[in-house]
Amino acid sequence: DVKVTQSSRYLVKRTGEKVFLECVQDMDHENMFWYRQDPGLGLRLIYFSYDVKMKEKGDIPEGYSVSREKKERFSLILESASTNQTSMYLCASSFRRQGLGYTFGSGTRLTVV
Amino acid sequence: KNEVEQSPQNLTAQEGEFITINCSYSVGISALHWLQQHPGGGIVSLFMLSSGKKKHGRLIATINIQEKHSSLHITASHPRDSAVYICAVPYRSGGGADGLTFGKGTHLIIQP
Repeated sequence: DVKVTQSSRYLVKRTGEKVFLECVQDMDHENMFWYRQDPGLGLRLIYFSYDVKMKEKGDIPEGYSVSREKKERFSLILESASTNQTSMYLCASSFRRQGLGYTFGSGTRLTVV
Repeated sequence: KNEVEQSPQNLTAQEGEFITINCSYSVGISALHWLQQHPGGGIVSLFMLSSGKKKHGRLIATINIQEKHSSLHITASHPRDSAVYICAVPYRSGGGADGLTFGKGTHLIIQP
């Protein structure tokens, strides 16, 4: 069964901490994405990557960075967590061609206190 | 950047009713996605379509590229269809390397 796996389902961190959210896919997808989902705002694109070591900003990259050192792994980094980054974070991946095979992870609910 | 409008935001219907959810977008696209999200967060891709119509069980998705409009229909609705349905299109026109931009979702409740 093909999968996008996010390392944590629930995470609680303190303001100012550096936070790493990990995502691994086993489908040999070129594209990987990080989104956040908030009530009333829906899903918004933070960053995406279409190849190893390549990244592009989405709608809301401020306060975040990403790392893609291997094709199967895409990490989202909160350099200094703040309370307004409390959210549900969803990772996704797809093939490069027209976004075929789009698959989501089950999400990480991050609370920053 | 593509903009997506989805309607209705909320829909409550009786079991067995025919359901229609609409989606409009602003920029020409290569493909449109319909997604389903159950309480608890998991998102499942229902359809990806670039023209015409697709059917999977009781779900039917249609798209009109010229009018930049898509609809998701559910026939013989059932309480297990209760979920949030989300329309999504490429973040920018063209290119599978883009992320998606999403509608705000339609919260569907099917009552027995």
